[in-house]
Amino acid sequence: RKEVEQDPGPFNVPEGATVAFNCTYSNSASQSFFWYRQDCRKEPKLLMSVYSSGNEDGRFTAQLNRASQYISLLIRDSKLSDSATYLCVVKGDTGRRALTFGSGTRLQVQP
Amino acid sequence: GAVVSQHPSWVICKSGTSVKIECRSLDFQATTMFWYRQFPKQSLMLMATSNEGSKATYEQGVEKDKFLINHASLTLSTLTVTSAHPEDSSFYICSARDAQARGGFNQPQHFGDGTRLSIL
Repeated sequence: RKEVEQDPGPFNVPEGATVAFNCTYSNSASQSFFWYRQDCRKEPKLLMSVYSSGNEDGRFTAQLNRASQYISLLIRDSKLSDSATYLCVVKGDTGRRALTFGSGTRLQVQP
Repeated sequence: GAVVSQHPSWVICKSGTSVKIECRSLDFQATTMFWYRQFPKQSLMLMATSNEGSKATYEQGVEKDKFLINHASLTLSTLTVTSAHPEDSSFYICSARDAQARGGFNQPQHFGDGTRLSIL
């Protein structure tokens, strides 16, 4: 089983739509959680951190459920510029400080 | 904000060539840097953890004699792909974390722009 699992998509949605991505992780000792965005052939860029209390940044809302080991990202009012691959990223316990990436969910927002 | 510079951004070379990729933290010190590799349509996979002043830690399945890592200063780590072959063609990307930033180990990492390596 992969350490971080995501639905690869693609998700094809019209502009203005609301879209949700889900992610599960296997290591219950994981400490930190992030959503990164990666455009084609580019480096990943941090979108937002994820907390149990939820985290909202404009049109983006991220949520963490530690009991279910489940992370979500909600994008409201999708823009064409939101088209990208969204990576669910987990950092393990303090003994392992690298990031573990999901395979990413591809989003294509259409006019 | 924290910036990581990676060079070169694109390399095309013949099979058997050794290629060196540099990763620099420009405005912070990084005792640890990470090297990832991403094949087309796949996720980033950690190759090794580069530790300043000591040996790198390699992930299972990554040949340490083929992927040489040197982290000689607090702002520079290099990855050398020795005797590269077509199967080494990939997107290599480094990251670093400012260990002195508030939040410590829970701070997100800063990525370089990546190096696209194509071996003919």
